[in-house]
Amino acid sequence: GENVEQHPSTLSVQEGDSAVIKCTYSDSASNYFPWYKQELGKRPQLIIDIRSNVGEKKDQRIAVTLNKTAKHFSLHITETQPEDSAVYFCAASMTNTGNQFYFGTGTSLTVIP
Amino acid sequence: NAGVTQTPKFQVLKTGQSMTLQCAQDMNHEYMSWYRQDPGMGLRLIHYSVGAGITDQGEVPNGYNVSRSTTEDFPLRLLSAAPSQTSVYFCASSRWTPNTGELFFGEGSRLTVL
Repeated sequence: GENVEQHPSTLSVQEGDSAVIKCTYSDSASNYFPWYKQELGKRPQLIIDIRSNVGEKKDQRIAVTLNKTAKHFSLHITETQPEDSAVYFCAASMTNTGNQFYFGTGTSLTVIP
Repeated sequence: NAGVTQTPKFQVLKTGQSMTLQCAQDMNHEYMSWYRQDPGMGLRLIHYSVGAGITDQGEVPNGYNVSRSTTEDFPLRLLSAAPSQTSVYFCASSRWTPNTGELFFGEGSRLTVL
């Protein structure tokens, strides 16, 4: 099955700096890559996603890049704010398998005011 | 529109007891799934369903049972609870569109097995 690895496991940045979280996947058939944010004690919520036919996608301060050849994708958060502090999960899925998502182990991001 | 509703939010069981975690969604999503979340291990897929009457195993199915008799409901049954099943459980539903396959999660159920 698919194996998703995520790094780093913890990340601290100063407010206003950028944060980058990286994930690799093993199955070249995976074609959908979402990122979820989970605040303490809350449910995970989608913040951005990308399909394999796109190399980059941006939504205000967050962006995701995908390198299909190398089988890795990254989350970029610019101008970080304290409210960005949370655990972030990457995931991989194949759209033709219905609902099987394979998640990374998570990155705990702390933005220091 | 309540989204995905899970009950109970908290539960303590003794080893060997059985219980059912309830999950219901009101978004008419065809796909539903159960994940468990353990520290340092992310979210791991237990079972999933692509529609009423259809279920399949995920990464960690042992010790759990599911059924999908309606589009709305997807209960997760623990047959004989073990301490290794202490975890936070999330139910999720989704519908694939050309743009996204977003998972909508319930609030989670924290289960402790003594």
